[in-house]
Amino acid sequence: SAVISQKPSRDICQRGTSLTIQCQVDSQVTMMFWYRQQPGQSLTLIATANQGSEATYESGFVIDKFPISRPNLTFSTLTVSNMSPEDSSIYLCSVEDNRGAYNEQFFGPGTRLTVL
Amino acid sequence: GQQLNQSPQSMFIQEGEDVSMNCTSSSIFNTWLWYKQDPGEGPVLLIALYKAGELTSNGRLTAQFGITRKDSFLNISASIPSDVGIYFCAGQYRGNKLVFGAGTILRVKS
Repeated sequence: SAVISQKPSRDICQRGTSLTIQCQVDSQVTMMFWYRQQPGQSLTLIATANQGSEATYESGFVIDKFPISRPNLTFSTLTVSNMSPEDSSIYLCSVEDNRGAYNEQFFGPGTRLTVL
Repeated sequence: GQQLNQSPQSMFIQEGEDVSMNCTSSSIFNTWLWYKQDPGEGPVLLIALYKAGELTSNGRLTAQFGITRKDSFLNISASIPSDVGIYFCAGQYRGNKLVFGAGTILRVKS
């Protein structure tokens, strides 16, 4: 399976600031996604990171708040803008690995964000 | 939108016991996946199911894709302490997106 790394692994940020999270994959993948996991909750899809074009956002998530870049097939960034304590969550990137017979989706280790 | 109902919410079992958890939905999914998440880690894929009625095993884990494509179950046989964690079901829909169940917290008494 694809090996996924995220930076930073955790951060504590002040209200009103922004944080950019990086996701690096060890192989080229077509599909990359960003998820949010609020404390004690399940995972919710934020957006699909499209290579060479604007990300596709899910209902309730907007580009101004969560701008995403996808400059190539192995890298993506998610920025959490103008943060508030409600943004405290684990942010995870995932990739679809289609090297096998089927497309399977794997997750990075996550970035644990605390906003004060 | 798509929603998954995962049960039970939590389980506290004796080491060696078998475990069963399931997910249901009013929506049809093309793929069902089961993940396990340990504290401080991202979810790890345990089993993927691609065909209605499919029964798949991975060691002590067995999962089935419901014939209606609206449900799936995961069984863990002879539980061990390292099975502790949160188990999530996920259904894959258009654009290869995933919707997740609320999770089942598994605790094992040794």
